[in-house]
Amino acid sequence: DGGITQSPKYLFRKEGQNVTLSCEQNLNHDAMYWYRQDPGQGLRLIYYSQIVNDFQKGDIAEGYSVSREKKESFPLTVTSAQKNPTAFYLCACITLAGAMETQYFGPGTRLLVL
Amino acid sequence: AQKITQTQPGMFVQEKEAVTLDCTYDTSDQSYGLFWYKQPSSGEMIFLIYQGSYDEQNATEGRYSLNFQKARKSANLVISASQLGDSAMYFCAMREGKDTGRRALTFGSGTRLQVQP
Repeated sequence: DGGITQSPKYLFRKEGQNVTLSCEQNLNHDAMYWYRQDPGQGLRLIYYSQIVNDFQKGDIAEGYSVSREKKESFPLTVTSAQKNPTAFYLCACITLAGAMETQYFGPGTRLLVL
Repeated sequence: AQKITQTQPGMFVQEKEAVTLDCTYDTSDQSYGLFWYKQPSSGEMIFLIYQGSYDEQNATEGRYSLNFQKARKSANLVISASQLGDSAMYFCAMREGKDTGRRALTFGSGTRLQVQP
């Protein structure tokens, strides 16, 4: 089955702790994205990667870091510098639906601060 | 400046009736794409429908259609024959010109649709 998986579904972070959210895809697509969603709001772009070993900051990159060592994987680390990390995090990759390119999303990770 | 505007925080519709969710956008690009996603309470983002800026026909996908009015910069989603399972948040999103390489989506704030029996 082709798709995007994210783990864990729920993640708890203690003050001062770095945590890493996993995103894996087997759609063989180059471009991957991380978005953050706060309650009652739309998604905002954190980081994106168009190709292995390359990634770019999105609109709200402060306090986050990423890596792209493999095409299939694009993990997101929420660092202690991110002062308000409680949110829903969604990973996406671009794929083709018919003749049209669109973004498909993983199931998301909810991050809560203890 | 907000690029995607959804002015309806919440909407109610009776089961089996049609409903229109509003979306206006702002861009200076000639080439762009408009998307609608559904987000049920589980949180997953489900792609519904796409409209390209050069598409002359309004997009349709089953019970979903997109009322694209380019001059007005609006891309309203029409859901026909509403079902209880349509109750969810709905997001309008835009991807601007591909030349930037970014190809990311800009989202509106969403509309919560509740279908009543």
